[in-house]
Amino acid sequence: DIVMTQSPLSLPVSPGEPASISCRSSQSLLYSNGYNYLDWYLQKPGQSPQLLIHLGSNRASGVPDRFSGSGSGTDFTLKISRVEAEDVGVYYCMQAVQIPLTFGQGTRLDIK
Amino acid sequence: QVQLQESGPGLVKPSGTLSLTCAVSGGSISSTNWWSWVRQPPGKGLEWIGKIYHSGNTNYNPSLKSRVTISVDKSKNLFSLNLTSVTAADTAVYYCARGAGGNPFGGVFGAWGQGTLVTVSS
Repeated sequence: DIVMTQSPLSLPVSPGEPASISCRSSQSLLYSNGYNYLDWYLQKPGQSPQLLIHLGSNRASGVPDRFSGSGSGTDFTLKISRVEAEDVGVYYCMQAVQIPLTFGQGTRLDIK
Repeated sequence: QVQLQESGPGLVKPSGTLSLTCAVSGGSISSTNWWSWVRQPPGKGLEWIGKIYHSGNTNYNPSLKSRVTISVDKSKNLFSLNLTSVTAADTAVYYCARGAGGNPFGGVFGAWGQGTLVTVSS
């Protein structure tokens, strides 16, 4: 299985400040077609996960542009340019290039 | 906009079979999407269980493969999960999710059900 490792696991951030989450995979997520099969999800308290970023850097429909994804191969980053109160929750990365699909442990973002 | 709705018993006895269905509305289960099940034990992270295409092709998590069956009912526009020989470790919120159309690996879960808690207890 591809192991996904996120850091940090806890991220307290003041409103308006930037935030960054790292996700590393034990194998490359770069497929032969040039795409990285890496998604980012946010699970807000009491809700189902929601898609933020797919293919490493593509924002999903309706996701604010303060969210951005970058990286390739085995190292990926999710950045929030200015954290807002509605961004609290647990962020997960997920690889989808190999069965089984696997998630990172999750990063809990809280507002200071 | 597609919507997914899980349903099934909230309580299953140990050694029994967990059976859930995911009804799809606002879209066809015969579209070019993979349909997945994901679970989340209380207070823990997400675990992918498996996925199915409308043709009936499936992929399962090897950690559960011997106990899992995912099936599709195109006439009812739904897909189902069966998990046999359950234990307390299978207690979790179970989500169904739709992968992106045309994505060969079935990821990019752009639509999720609201989740259903299944408790394994006698």
